[in-house]
Amino acid sequence: GESVGLHLPTLSVQEGDNSIINCAYSNSASDYFIWYKQESGKGPQFIIDIRSNMDKRQGQRVTVLLNKTVKHLSLQIAATQPGDSAVYFCAEPIIFGKGTRLHILP
Amino acid sequence: NAGVTQTPKFQVLKTGQSMTLQCAQDMNHNSMYWYRQDPGMGLRLIYYSASEGTTDKGEVPNGYNVSRLNKREFSLRLESAAPSQTSVYFCASSESWTAGNTIYFGEGSWLTVV
Repeated sequence: GESVGLHLPTLSVQEGDNSIINCAYSNSASDYFIWYKQESGKGPQFIIDIRSNMDKRQGQRVTVLLNKTVKHLSLQIAATQPGDSAVYFCAEPIIFGKGTRLHILP
Repeated sequence: NAGVTQTPKFQVLKTGQSMTLQCAQDMNHNSMYWYRQDPGMGLRLIYYSASEGTTDKGEVPNGYNVSRLNKREFSLRLESAAPSQTSVYFCASSESWTAGNTIYFGEGSWLTVV
C-alpha cells in the first residue's frame, strides 16, 4: 500500500554543522507534505510544508527539498543547535513516516 | 488558548478493562484525529473525523471506537483493552483534513495495559 517512510532512524550531527533528514514516499499522487518536530514527552509540532508544485521551500534555518521524480523529500537544518535534538517526521499530510531521531554532538 | 487538550495524561489498565480517552480543541477546527505512537513505529492513524458528524478508519482502527461528540470533542474508546494497546496516544486537529492544513497535536496520553 501507499506509505511514507524514512531512510535512517538515527542521525548524529556535530553542533554547528548542517543536518539533512530524508524521507521517501510511494504515492506519486501525493501533493502536499509536512515536516514535524517532536521533542521528548511532547506532541509533534509543525516545522515547514511543501506542495508538489514546488521543488524547494525555505523557512528560518530550515529548507525542504522535494524531488518528485524519485519521490523523495528532505529537511535541511542549517547550523544545527542543541535545541534541534528531537525526532523529525515527514507526513503526507495525515499519514506519518516512522521518524528520524536527530542527536546533536557537542 | 489551550489548543488541543487530552485526558488523562497517564493511565494503567488491566487486560479486558475499558476506558475512554477524551480530547477537546478550542481552535474551531473541523477535523480531528487520534494517533498512537509506539517505539520505532512512528505515528499511526487510528481514526479521524473529517468534520462534525463523520468518522473514518485510519491505518490501525481495530480494537478502538471513536465518537465525534460535537465540533470541539473527539473521544477514543478501548472496549476491552489488550497489552498490544500499550502506547502513547495523541489527539490532533486541523482546520481541514485536506492538503494545506497543519495538524496541531495534544501533549499525549500514556496508556499501559497489564
